Amino acid sequence: DVKVTQSSRYLVKRTGEKVFLECVQDMDHENMFWYRQDPGLGLRLIYFSYDVKMKEKGDIPEGYSVSREKKERFSLILESASTNQTSMYLCASSFEGTGDFYEQYFGPGTRLTVT
Amino acid sequence: AQSVTQLDSHVSVSEGTPVLLRCNYSSSYSPSLFWYVQHPNKGLQLLLKYTSAATLVKGINGFEAEFKKSETSFHLTKPSAHMSDAAEYFCVVSDNSGNTGKLIFGQGTTLQVKP
Repeated sequence: DVKVTQSSRYLVKRTGEKVFLECVQDMDHENMFWYRQDPGLGLRLIYFSYDVKMKEKGDIPEGYSVSREKKERFSLILESASTNQTSMYLCASSFEGTGDFYEQYFGPGTRLTVT
Repeated sequence: AQSVTQLDSHVSVSEGTPVLLRCNYSSSYSPSLFWYVQHPNKGLQLLLKYTSAATLVKGINGFEAEFKKSETSFHLTKPSAHMSDAAEYFCVVSDNSGNTGKLIFGQGTTLQVKP
């Protein structure tokens, strides 16, 4: 079974703090993704990575950065947390896509509250 | 550009009655389409996927979906709802334009199942 794990289920941080969210997958997937999930908005892509040290911006990258030093690990960094970054953060991974098969496997999510 | 619209933000059914969750998509390419389910406090799980093989796709837990190109629809159905089906459901289209493995999520439909 594919397993995607996230370092915390719940996290409470103060405004201005630097926040690290960690994600690890055990299936040797090339692609990894970070999303945030907000009610009525579905999932929105923040950043993704298709290889070690490679990253691309998603739809809402402002206020975030990422790091991928090892294939199995993808970190999301909030440089200076703000209250509008309070959300559920989901990590996902997938094999490198060829043709039309892009199934992503998701972690359980981290619910981040910034006060 | 690809997009997906879930036509209902909330659907309520009685246990034992049919379920219909509606999804329309827009795609410049031959799309790959997915339905994911998220139970409370859980990660997203793949229900089923369409990848240009059979237009009627069967998934887990008795769900199925039919790809209708003429209607640009991919509605999710189940003949008889069970209490355990109460969850949030996401219709998803793959971004096949750049072979990046990116997925585009609908806004989600919350399914309520009444006893």
